[in-house]
Amino acid sequence: DQQVKQNSPSLSVQEGRISILNCDYTNSMFDYFLWYKKYPAEGPTFLISISSIKDKNEDGRFTVFLNKSAKHLSLHIVPSQPGDSAVYFCAATTPFGNEKLTFGTGTRLTIIP
Amino acid sequence: NAGVTQTPKFRVLKTGQSMTLLCAQDMNHEYMYWYRQDPGMGLRLIHYSVGEGTTAKGEVPDGYNVSRLKKQNFLLGLESAAPSQTSVYFCASSYLAGNTEAFFGQGTRLTVV
Repeated sequence: DQQVKQNSPSLSVQEGRISILNCDYTNSMFDYFLWYKKYPAEGPTFLISISSIKDKNEDGRFTVFLNKSAKHLSLHIVPSQPGDSAVYFCAATTPFGNEKLTFGTGTRLTIIP
Repeated sequence: NAGVTQTPKFRVLKTGQSMTLLCAQDMNHEYMYWYRQDPGMGLRLIHYSVGEGTTAKGEVPDGYNVSRLKKQNFLLGLESAAPSQTSVYFCASSYLAGNTEAFFGQGTRLTVV
């Protein structure tokens, strides 16, 4: 059972426009959420996170929004740049057994120059 | 500053052969993890460790064994490789439990023929 879902395998966005990546989860015990970015032939790198006590967290061009009632979070990238082309993974963890992250299947973002 | 280093980066095995993947981190992290990445499946946790001398099963542990004899090293073993173990393997480490960013290695691409 996929507890963290990224329903869009791929997304293409024009350079300079907003990229919106979505993530849904089913486990109501998840209380911390992270986004990771992965380039080909490299390991994932941490991008931004949000605690369930917040509904928004911003870091430069990246903003994550959390809607707990809908069990949905999204990552906004504004403005999108060619270097943002990568695979983005959403991940979540619970307050118990929180030694591990549960990852989504990833969304491949392509920024079109 | 090496971070998390995985060896080897590529390997081809014949069915039934054994091998060990080595992960080394130089950040004095307590927590270490082994994930596998398969198309359409995201990152799935194989085994993890919450400290030197400890190991625990993740989501997909069958066919793998691990050891954490030294804090900085986490070994993943395949005793009798199967084609279903063809995957990209990532090691990660973190200072605290899963609700903090984890640092990933570059990955090991393993093909079992």
